[in-house]
Amino acid sequence: KNQVEQSPQSLIILEGKNCTLQCNYTVSPFSNLRWYKQDTGRGPVSLTIMTFSENTKSNGRYTATLDADTKQSSLHITASQLSDSASYICVVRSGGGADGLTFGKGTHLIIQP
Amino acid sequence: DADVTQTPRNRITKTGKRIMLECSQTKGHDRMYWYRQDPGLGLRLIYYSFDVKDINKGEISDGYSVSRQAQAKFSLSLESAIPNQTALYFCATSGGNTEAFFGQGTRLTVV
Repeated sequence: KNQVEQSPQSLIILEGKNCTLQCNYTVSPFSNLRWYKQDTGRGPVSLTIMTFSENTKSNGRYTATLDADTKQSSLHITASQLSDSASYICVVRSGGGADGLTFGKGTHLIIQP
Repeated sequence: DADVTQTPRNRITKTGKRIMLECSQTKGHDRMYWYRQDPGLGLRLIYYSFDVKDINKGEISDGYSVSRQAQAKFSLSLESAIPNQTALYFCATSGGNTEAFFGQGTRLTVV
């Protein structure tokens, strides 16, 4: 069964600090991996997409990495801001199956002033 | 205007009532999905459709039905709502292997 595990489940850091969120997956066949940001009460919004051949991709202060061999991805947030407080969801797309998407349960990030 | 619009945004209904959640999109995508989100459980797929005449059950379809009236519209119905269907519901669209675009969500409470 395809699975996506995220850690930590929740995280509290001070404004200005950096943090790294983890995603481990067992999805086959692998197509791509996306990180979504979900603000409270809103729909998820895509931050980055990683394909099999990509190791790292940045979107402003967000940097995602992918190790396809170990089936791990991370999302690094630099110089955190209050607006970064949200849930971050790792989503892996497979080459087959229903919608082809396997969702992690998310990491709830709180930035404190 | 949002690319994916859900109505209503919030709804409180009584046990046993029929309720419909509506979704419309302006992305021109063929694929539409309904997800349910519960605290600690993440997003779970209820139903999905790849075309107007195509309806497929997802992981948790029991107690729900859907209708794909047009390429741009995909509605979710609860024929007889029960309290454990209280959740946040999301509609999404995608163009195949592209990014999934989500609506703003409908918060449904069944009392």
